Amino acid sequence: DAKTTQPNSMESNEEEPVHLPCNHSTISGTDYIHWYRQLPSQGPEYVIHGLTSNVNNRMASLAIAEDRKSSTLILHRATLRDAAVYYCILIHAGGTSYGKLTFGQGTILTVHP
Amino acid sequence: DTEVTQTPKHLVMGMTNKKSLKCEQHMGHRAMYWYKQKAKKPPELMFVYSYEKLSINESVPSRFSPECPNSSLLNLHLHALQPEDSALYLCASSQASSGTYEQYFGPGTRLTVT
Repeated sequence: DAKTTQPNSMESNEEEPVHLPCNHSTISGTDYIHWYRQLPSQGPEYVIHGLTSNVNNRMASLAIAEDRKSSTLILHRATLRDAAVYYCILIHAGGTSYGKLTFGQGTILTVHP
Repeated sequence: DTEVTQTPKHLVMGMTNKKSLKCEQHMGHRAMYWYKQKAKKPPELMFVYSYEKLSINESVPSRFSPECPNSSLLNLHLHALQPEDSALYLCASSQASSGTYEQYFGPGTRLTVT
């Protein structure tokens, strides 16, 4: 599986935008970029995913570099509830991966009031 | 309804006990997953079921035995566990196992082996 690299931790203030980076220089053409987050004492929660184009949903935006070797998860206005571990994960579409998620260490996001 | 339910929430068992964890979803998803998460570590995949067939076993010891009786239900049977098996066990489901769909996670079962 292609590997991702994320900063160990980031901090933000409430109501400010947050940009969480992810490097995936060995990404292959059929790898989807998925983002999940895990709040304290909860199961992981899907945030967003994309293949080549930028994506928006009610939770966040995903900006994918043109060469696809990096991506950025954007939380437009951080709230205290967004404090979590954010995981950037590549999933190989089809084949024998069966959509399995291989979690790295993720980025611990701290949001200050 | 985008909910994955897991029972029980907490389980304490001795090393000679047999117990089962249950996971249920009613979203019509055809892929279901078991993950294990130790304290302060990321989740690790254990098993994947696709269309009720075991598709991936990540070299999990045989004291963990998964079962998918139907498309909505996933069980994890536990027998002769070790204290190091104490962890949060997470179940997830996805529309299909192609990797193009998101996974929905349950809240997990926190297992303590004494």
